[in-house]
Amino acid sequence: DVKVTQSSRYLVKRTGEKVFLECVQDMDHENMFWYRQDPGLGLRLIYFSYDVKMKEKGDIPEGYSVSREKKERFSLILESASTNQTSMYLCASSAYTEAFFGQGTRLTVV
Amino acid sequence: AQKVTQAQTEISVVEKEDVTLDCVYETRDTTYYLFWYKQPPSGELVFLIRRNSFDEQNEISGRYSWNFQKSTSSFNFTITASQVVDSAVYFCALSEKGTYKYIFGTGTRLKVLA
Repeated sequence: DVKVTQSSRYLVKRTGEKVFLECVQDMDHENMFWYRQDPGLGLRLIYFSYDVKMKEKGDIPEGYSVSREKKERFSLILESASTNQTSMYLCASSAYTEAFFGQGTRLTVV
Repeated sequence: AQKVTQAQTEISVVEKEDVTLDCVYETRDTTYYLFWYKQPPSGELVFLIRRNSFDEQNEISGRYSWNFQKSTSSFNFTITASQVVDSAVYFCALSEKGTYKYIFGTGTRLKVLA
């Protein structure tokens, strides 16, 4: 069975903290993605990676960075968390067809 | 530019009614994929269907059916005899061949009332 696992379902962090969101896939997919989901805005792409150590900015990369040291793992980093980064974060992976998603991480920055 | 529009923000129906969720897309490419995903209250997006741009055949899977019309750039999703378990947010998405990106619509929240 296809599996994309995000390390946390819920996180509460303080403004200014450095935050790591981890995502692991077990399907040997080349491509991995980080989206954020906000009411009325749908899913917006933050960053994606098409190979180990390769990354590209999506539509809203400001305030975020990513790391992909191993094929199965894609990390999203909030360098200095701010309240406007309170959101649902969704990780996905794909092999050029449909994407498979993790369960999401609801991040609250206070 | 790529764009996916789901004009229906929220739909409420009574159980056993049929309901159609609309999806209109924009792309300049001739080769692309269209998708529908379901997001139940648990939060995880569940893949429902993929269609490529060269296959305009309609698809039926149980109570679900999809109507793809290139002439109107639409990929609509119909649930027949809706059930409470169909309550979820449904997303339509587009991906062009040769890119790695998926463009999502803003989603349609479906509420099926018992």
